[in-house]
Formats: sequence, structure tokens, C-alpha cells
Amino acid sequence: AQTVTQSQPEMSVQEAETVTLSCTYDTSESDYYLFWYKQPPSRQMILVIRQEAYKQQNATENRFSVNFQKAAKSFSLKISDSQLGDAAMYFCAYVNAGGTSYGKLTFGQGTILTVHP
Amino acid sequence: EAQVTQNPRYLITVTGKKLTVTCSQNMNHEYMSWYRQDPGLGLRQIYYSMNVEVTDKGDVPEGYKVSRKEKRNFPLILESPSPNQTSLYFCASSPYAVRETQYFGPGTRLLVL
Repeated sequence: AQTVTQSQPEMSVQEAETVTLSCTYDTSESDYYLFWYKQPPSRQMILVIRQEAYKQQNATENRFSVNFQKAAKSFSLKISDSQLGDAAMYFCAYVNAGGTSYGKLTFGQGTILTVHP
Repeated sequence: EAQVTQNPRYLITVTGKKLTVTCSQNMNHEYMSWYRQDPGLGLRQIYYSMNVEVTDKGDVPEGYKVSRKEKRNFPLILESPSPNQTSLYFCASSPYAVRETQYFGPGTRLLVL
């Protein structure tokens, strides 16, 4: 079974600075997808960024980028120029690209990000 | 407006009293799923459905039932709720598969006494 680990329960950053959230995963598959979801205090889950394992290039979405290290099974999220609105719980998630567990999505435990003005 | 709706949003109930949490999406999505969120555990998948009449267990299916009789609806049924099912529940959908962006409902906060 796949597992996803976020080892940082809480992180903090100053406004306009850069912060990196860590995520590691365990799988025997070679083709899969990884996600970062954001959950602000409203509890609404919002997709931040998505990475396909067979793509070497790291995904980016404006101020959000990932460092995908497939061999190390690491998928960190970098937030540049942090804004007060980035304060939220962030979840890393994994899903196989196919096979018997194709529909199963596994989340990490979450990291609470605080942004200081 | 494209959305996933859940009802009720808040529910307090007692042990053993059957309840249903409804989930509906208006985006004609094939895939739907239920999750529970607990402090320190993140989100855990309860059940998912790849299409109508096709459902499968996630990581924590015990004590829950689902059905997918039509594409838009995916209710979560607790036949005999217990206090350990007190949690925040989310329904989600995506166009064809979970590898695509999932659209989440607003969540249902359940307290079982």
C-alpha cells in the first residue's frame, strides 16, 4: 500500500519570503500522480499543483512550484513571495496512474502554514 | 454554478441512529469519492466510485456504505454510527479519474454522541 508522509506538522513564514513544505511517499509503482491541496480556514479544499511522475520537469503554478525527486520519492512544495492568503493547511496526495488501486487517493497528514505580516 | 454539494453541513446524532449524508455534483463527473478528515491523520478515503454502479473501498470503509445509482449522486450511509465516526467528511468528484483535479464539497461536520 502507498503511504504519504508530511513530517512538518507546522511551518511559518514571513510575508514576501519563501517557504518549502516537505512530502515523501512510498510506492513500488513507476507511474503515478502527486498533488498539493490547500485547505484554508473555510475548510474548502483547493488544488494547488499537480505532478505526473513520468514527467521530469517540475510543475509550477505562479508562485507555487514543486521539487519532484522521483528516486528519492520526495515531492516538496515551494511557495515564493508568501502572502497572507497562503495561510492554510497543505496536504500532499498520491494516486496510481493505473492498476487495481487506480481510484485510491492517499493523503499525507497535513502541514499548517502560518504567514506573519 | 459548477459545484459539489453536501447535506447536511452539520449533524449531531446518537450512537446507532442510521444517517445519510448526501453528495451531489452538477458537472457530469464520472468519478466520485468520500473522505474523512481527522486531526493528525489528514484525509482518508472511505469509498470511491469510478462510474455509475461501480464502487470500491478506500482505506477506511468499515462502518460505511455507499451507492451510485445515478451519476450525479453519491450518498454516504452510516447504518449504526459510533463515536469513532465523529469527523469532518468531504465528498469530491472529478471528470474521469482521480488523477485529474478533484472538486470538493464544503464538508459535513458529524458528531456522534
